[in-house]
Amino acid sequence: NAGVTQTPKFQVLKTGQSMTLQCAQDMNHNSMYWYRQDPGMGLRLIYYSASEGTTDKGEVPNGYNVSRLNKREFSLRLESAAPSQTSVYFCASSEMAAEQYFGPGTRLTVT
Amino acid sequence: KQEVTQIPAALSVPEGENLVLNCSFTDSAIYNLQWFRQDPGKGLTSLLLIQSSQREQTSGRLNASLDKSSGRSTLYIAASQPGDSATYLCAVEDSNYQLIWGAGTKLIIKP
Repeated sequence: NAGVTQTPKFQVLKTGQSMTLQCAQDMNHNSMYWYRQDPGMGLRLIYYSASEGTTDKGEVPNGYNVSRLNKREFSLRLESAAPSQTSVYFCASSEMAAEQYFGPGTRLTVT
Repeated sequence: KQEVTQIPAALSVPEGENLVLNCSFTDSAIYNLQWFRQDPGKGLTSLLLIQSSQREQTSGRLNASLDKSSGRSTLYIAASQPGDSATYLCAVEDSNYQLIWGAGTKLIIKP
């Protein structure tokens, strides 16, 4: 039982490059989330998916796109990376109004 | 707009002390409040979840309380140990089933 897995763990991009962060959960949860965490700040929600086939914007969606590929997988895509997107990205899953389970995070640097 | 504040930002105490971490929120219309632990370079681990109808939850040496009317929650850690050193974050789940996060309290327990 791996819980929530994320790949890659680390990534360095140049400005303008694109990449996709992958997330998968094996707990059969309906809801999945993408957050970013910046120093000295709380986590901020980028996008979430309340159930398979649905996605909604969170607090900071600009510059990102998501895909809920199936119930297990939820990917986050940066189409044209910017230095302001340097951050640690966390994926999480849960049932509604229940505790969220987090992946180990992806540390992204955009130069 | 819901805002979550954690004070202090950092706390250092000798091993064995009992301590209290504070979390306040501006809008009492919440589904639940969650406390998480984050170790350096790692993901987040859920510690306690308090439903809006509950006043407190306990797990081992941890006790979390919730006072919705005053917009406050406390996390009480009994008999602190060096292994408790981590950043503790609180988050409230709002009416859109989204978590709104505090910036965290960095706790250091000195042996």
